[in-house]
Amino acid sequence: EDQVTQSPEALRLQEGESSSLNCSYTVSGLRGLFWYRQDPGKGPEFLFTLYSAGEEKEKERLKATLTKKESFLHITAPKPEDSATYLCAVQRRNNNDMRFGAGTRLTVKP
Amino acid sequence: DAMVIQNPRYQVTQFGKPVTLSCSQTLNHNVMYWYQQKSSQAPKLLFHYYDKDFNNEADTPDNFQSRRPNTSFCFLDIRSPGLGDAAMYLCATSRDSGVGGYTFGSGTRLTVV
Repeated sequence: EDQVTQSPEALRLQEGESSSLNCSYTVSGLRGLFWYRQDPGKGPEFLFTLYSAGEEKEKERLKATLTKKESFLHITAPKPEDSATYLCAVQRRNNNDMRFGAGTRLTVKP
Repeated sequence: DAMVIQNPRYQVTQFGKPVTLSCSQTLNHNVMYWYQQKSSQAPKLLFHYYDKDFNNEADTPDNFQSRRPNTSFCFLDIRSPGLGDAAMYLCATSRDSGVGGYTFGSGTRLTVV
């Protein structure tokens, strides 16, 4: 069965303190690995899709990378507005379903 | 702006009283999904419509039903809500397989009293 495990569950950073979030996955035939941002009381907002090992995507202070077993979301010099829960999800080939991890709750203090 | 709109944002219902949550989209996406998300947990897929084809997850309780009368609208019906059904319900859409990511609504927070 597909599994997605995110760590840590919660992360507190000072503004400007770079760090990485981890997403370990087990899936039979990966179509794509997805990163979303979720603010409290709102729906997830799409950030990136990664399709194959070695791929990297960037958006502002965020960079996502992918290996055959895990993905990292690197946050460079975070700001308080980056505070949110970051969700990772995997989708299998020939299947529309997207299986989510429980997320990492990021807090960035000014 | 094209978007996914869920109504209501907050819903309080009595134990056992049927409730319907609605989702509409202006993206003209052919796939619509319903997820249940409990506090600090991963969103859990309940079912999805690929065009008019309904796809139910094996572990979705029979208490949960869905209707999609047209491309733009999708409804989640909870026939007899229990206390364990209190959660955020998220509607999402995608074009075909969704490799470009899903577009989510803001969710409906359901409270059962």
